[in-house]
Amino acid sequence: EVQLVESGGSVVQPGRSLRLSCAASGFTFSDYYMHWVRQVQGGGLEWVSRINRDESVTSYADSVRGRFTISRDNAKNTLFLQLNSLRAEDTAVYHCARESGDGDEFDYWGQGTLVTVSS
Amino acid sequence: SYVLTQPPSVSVAPGQTARITCAGDNIGSHRVHWYQKKTGQAPVLVVYDDIDRPSGIPERFSGSASGSTATLTISRVEAGDEAEYYCQVWDGTDWVFGGGTKLTV
Repeated sequence: EVQLVESGGSVVQPGRSLRLSCAASGFTFSDYYMHWVRQVQGGGLEWVSRINRDESVTSYADSVRGRFTISRDNAKNTLFLQLNSLRAEDTAVYHCARESGDGDEFDYWGQGTLVTVSS
Repeated sequence: SYVLTQPPSVSVAPGQTARITCAGDNIGSHRVHWYQKKTGQAPVLVVYDDIDRPSGIPERFSGSASGSTATLTISRVEAGDEAEYYCQVWDGTDWVFGGGTKLTV
């Protein structure tokens, strides 16, 4: 069974940093592109970042480029998101998601971890 | 950037058919995917590539696309279908979501 479990969310002050993790199991992690998608409270889904299988190619939404960094450890089946220079508008539940092997949809998601940016 | 527009809400009685639309410029040139999102739960892919259904998703869920609109149709709606539904495409650069539609049963 495919499982994605996020962790690392917390309350943090504006301007500070945070690192999120996503532990993957039930599939060969290194075979798949992985993403982070967030949902603000009461709002919709927003794509954040994507990483390819060997970490050689990453992409970011304009709203986070230059502040967030996606990475992965295929030996530990774990996806990461480093959040720097956090702003109030980054407050959201952050989900990791697996990109399907033959398309651009997200076929499995985690339940998410809450990041609250507040002074 | 590419914009997908969904109605904020759709209401339907149990047993009836719900149709949720997703409008975008030349959306037919994109593959449209649909997700079900319940509060506190992970999103679930219910339709991909406009019309296909992942294994485990009931046949009551179907998708279509024509012109500038894609549609998620839920037949014989059940109370458990109450959720938010999001359409999504890849526009060549970013993964874009619609604003979401709250389905009330």
